[in-house]
Amino acid sequence: DTEVTQTPKHLVMGMTNKKSLKCEQHMGHRAMYWYKQKAKKPPELMFVYSYEKLSINESVPSRFSPECPNSSLLNLHLHALQPEDSALYLCASSQEKNGEQYFGPGTRLTVT
Amino acid sequence: GESVGLHLPTLSVQEGDNSIINCAYSNSASDYFIWYKQESGKGPQFIIDIRSNMDKRQGQRVTVLLNKTVKHLSLQIAATQPGDSAVYFCAERMNSGYSTLTFGKGTMLLVSP
Repeated sequence: DTEVTQTPKHLVMGMTNKKSLKCEQHMGHRAMYWYKQKAKKPPELMFVYSYEKLSINESVPSRFSPECPNSSLLNLHLHALQPEDSALYLCASSQEKNGEQYFGPGTRLTVT
Repeated sequence: GESVGLHLPTLSVQEGDNSIINCAYSNSASDYFIWYKQESGKGPQFIIDIRSNMDKRQGQRVTVLLNKTVKHLSLQIAATQPGDSAVYFCAERMNSGYSTLTFGKGTMLLVSP
């Protein structure tokens, strides 16, 4: 299995909602990542987890809260988002913290 | 400073032509470079990578060239096909021990039959 899966594919939420994005990989990778991608822009790194511990937080606002329950799963909890947070949220994983990254298909988030 | 643009640079080619997509990277300490292909509605897909101790690497129909002197990376696609139409991103990794990639701005490749 060489796939990173993400759910849901699309999500529409209001500014007062709480929702979660999920990411899963079964490649035995020990590093997982969240990226944000706006239209016609490159992905921007948000968080890096290595061996289930948060290694890097790229100064992301606290309304985004990552969680790594185990080595295969990565969640991104969303609360009190703003319309400008609407974007494609991409998850990626790599064998080790400096390995090639495999990306999931992303969750298209719209905040109304 | 950051350039804010509404449009991606676009390369339009005919099917069967060779395509060359260029990328200028920013950090002379970067030790690893990757080209990704991103089709509409999908996540980035790995194409080919190259380490800083190399200047050329070939894959199937693709070649990556690295010029560290001018911090330039290029992706050559031979016999371009309509299925190659996508946005192509270069990414660099600084030699920091973490696989934190910095992506370039991207180029849209449009292949006409």
